[in-house]
Amino acid sequence: EADIYQTPRYLVIGTGKKITLECSQTMGHDKMYWYQQDPGMELHLIHYSYGVNSTEKGDLSSESTVSRIRTEHFPLTLESARPSHTSQYLCASKTGTGFPGELFFGEGSRLTVL
Amino acid sequence: AQKITQTQPGMFVQEKEAVTLDCTYDTSDPSYGLFWYKQPSSGEMIFLIYQGSYDQQNATEGRYSLNFQKARKSANLVISASQLGDSAMYFCAMREGHSFDSNYQLIWGAGTKLIIKP
Repeated sequence: EADIYQTPRYLVIGTGKKITLECSQTMGHDKMYWYQQDPGMELHLIHYSYGVNSTEKGDLSSESTVSRIRTEHFPLTLESARPSHTSQYLCASKTGTGFPGELFFGEGSRLTVL
Repeated sequence: AQKITQTQPGMFVQEKEAVTLDCTYDTSDPSYGLFWYKQPSSGEMIFLIYQGSYDQQNATEGRYSLNFQKARKSANLVISASQLGDSAMYFCAMREGHSFDSNYQLIWGAGTKLIIKP
């Protein structure tokens, strides 16, 4: 079983609030990812990190920011949430070695901005 | 252009029947890999099976097998003897480039919602 945890699972907040979605993994994986997923739709990569102090933007433009100060922790922050940010956010990680190098996912954070 | 196409938005299948979920892909890279993931209503994505472009045989993992037709660029997931617990979204994803290069990004299909009827 994968050991990657996301909190909160569900969050309903008002417009303009600052939020942080937490993601932690205990597998020692170097590579971590944030995906955004609307219901019944494909995943879109918004941020990734290949190690401590390394962060990159993904294919889908996002107003969120991320940080990677510790290997196990990859939080995502929205400084001022808007209704357009309503979505599910999935955190994933994988090892830099090993085959086939599949992603391990958390259970997701479902964000609703009113 | 879409690189991963899953043409079945939704499927209903009777319990214990086999089911095939379609996935076609597009790439000019000779080295690539195809992944299938299951996403139950709980939200977590679960890795099911992997097929590399150079693999000579179709991948199998328990009740899951992959019908890999390289010339047709298709990698269909076959679930044998379906169970109620198989009801979920299923996603096909592709990695371009060699598997030794771990710095790849997955390209995802839009998914197929599978519902198993008792």
